[in-house]
Amino acid sequence: DVKVTQSSRYLVKRTGEKVFLECVQDMDHENMFWYRQDPGLGLRLIYFSYDVKMKEKGDIPEGYSVSREKKERFSLILESASTNQTSMYLCASRQNQPQHFGDGTRLSIL
Amino acid sequence: ILNVEQSPQSLHVQEGDSTNFTCSFPSSNFYALHWYRWETAKSPEALFVMTLNGDEKKKGRISATLNTKEGYSYLYIKGSQPEDSATYLCAPFSGGYNKLIFGAGTRLAVHP
Repeated sequence: DVKVTQSSRYLVKRTGEKVFLECVQDMDHENMFWYRQDPGLGLRLIYFSYDVKMKEKGDIPEGYSVSREKKERFSLILESASTNQTSMYLCASRQNQPQHFGDGTRLSIL
Repeated sequence: ILNVEQSPQSLHVQEGDSTNFTCSFPSSNFYALHWYRWETAKSPEALFVMTLNGDEKKKGRISATLNTKEGYSYLYIKGSQPEDSATYLCAPFSGGYNKLIFGAGTRLAVHP
C-alpha cells in the first residue's frame, strides 16, 4: 500500500513565522501535490511537482513556496505566515491514477 | 479552471436508506473522473476512477455512473450504514499537467 506521511497532524504558529510542512511518500511516485481545504470549498491546489527539482504553481500559490530536492519528499513553505493561511493542508502523490493522500495537517496561524 | 459542482452539499439519512449524489463538470477536454471518500480524521481514499462515457463502477454497496457527453456522474449508496458517513469528493481530470480539480464535496451523515 502507498504511504503518504505528513510530518504533523496539528501545528500552531504565529503571524510572520516561516512555516515548513513536510510530506514523504514511499512508492517512488513522480507527481506530488499540496492542497488546502477550507469549509465550503473543494480541495484547492497550491503547488505540484512532477519530478525532482521541478515545481508548478497550482490555483492558489500566493504566499507559498515548495521544495523537492528528493523524489520522496515535497515540502510546502509559508514564507511569512498570515492568519488567512489557517487551514487544513493535504499532501498527495500519484504515479498514474488514483491519487494517494496523507492524513493532513491542521495549521493554525495566531 | 473547471467548474465542478457537487450536490447536495450535505445529506442526512437513516441507516438502511439508499441515497445518491451528483457531480457536474464541463464536458469538454474530459479525460477521467475520480471519486474519493474522506472520513473525519483520515485521509481521502479513492473509490473509483472512471474514464469512458457510460462507465459504471461498483464497490460493495457503492456504485457510480458517468456521462461524459452531458458532464455528470452519480454516486449511489445502497442501504446506507453509519460507517458510510463521510465527505464524498469528485474530481474530473482534464489535460494540463494532469491536475485534478475537486468539487466542494457532499457531506453524508448516516444516523442509526
